[in-house]
Amino acid sequence: RKEVEQDPGPFNVPEGATVAFNCTYSNSASQSFFWYRQDCRKEPKLLMSVYSSGNEDGRFTAQLNRASQYISLLIRDSKLSDSATYLCVVNPDSWGKFQFGAGTQVVVTP
Amino acid sequence: NAGVTQTPKFRVLKTGQSMTLLCAQDMNHEYMYWYRQDPGMGLRLIHYSVGEGTTAKGEVPDGYNVSRLKKQNFLLGLESAAPSQTSVYFCASCGGSSYEQYFGPGTRLTVT
Repeated sequence: RKEVEQDPGPFNVPEGATVAFNCTYSNSASQSFFWYRQDCRKEPKLLMSVYSSGNEDGRFTAQLNRASQYISLLIRDSKLSDSATYLCVVNPDSWGKFQFGAGTQVVVTP
Repeated sequence: NAGVTQTPKFRVLKTGQSMTLLCAQDMNHEYMYWYRQDPGMGLRLIHYSVGEGTTAKGEVPDGYNVSRLKKQNFLLGLESAAPSQTSVYFCASCGGSSYEQYFGPGTRLTVT
């Protein structure tokens, strides 16, 4: 079993709709959680940090469920520019090492 | 403020050749990382460094060596390239208390 697992998608979303997807992690002691966005042939860029019970930034909402060991990302009012791969990243310890999911692809269509 | 830079951006090697990838950051970050990204597998940690002069193995260190002689630079070496090392290599750094990583633009390496 992978330490960080994501549904690869693609999630095909009409423009203006809401999409949500999850990421599960295996290490119950993990402390820090992040969502990164990666565009095709580009480097990952931080979208949101998820430190406690959740985080909201504009149209994006991230939630953490420690009991079930998953985090989620919800995108409201999807824009064409939201089309990308979203990477779930978990920091399992305090030494700054990170574990990456393989990414969830989102495709927003007109 | 350039952030994290990587050189080269592209490279084609023949099996058995060697090369060094350079990563530089100007944010005074303590932590630096080298990842490889392959289709369907996400980013995998090759080596990392928690400070100048220190390095440690990550998830997939075999076939690679690293050095961090200066705080701002983290070098990744391939002594004898193999086709299995064909990948996109990303360098990242982070520092302070947030653990947010900043990535370089990547190096696309093909080994034939």
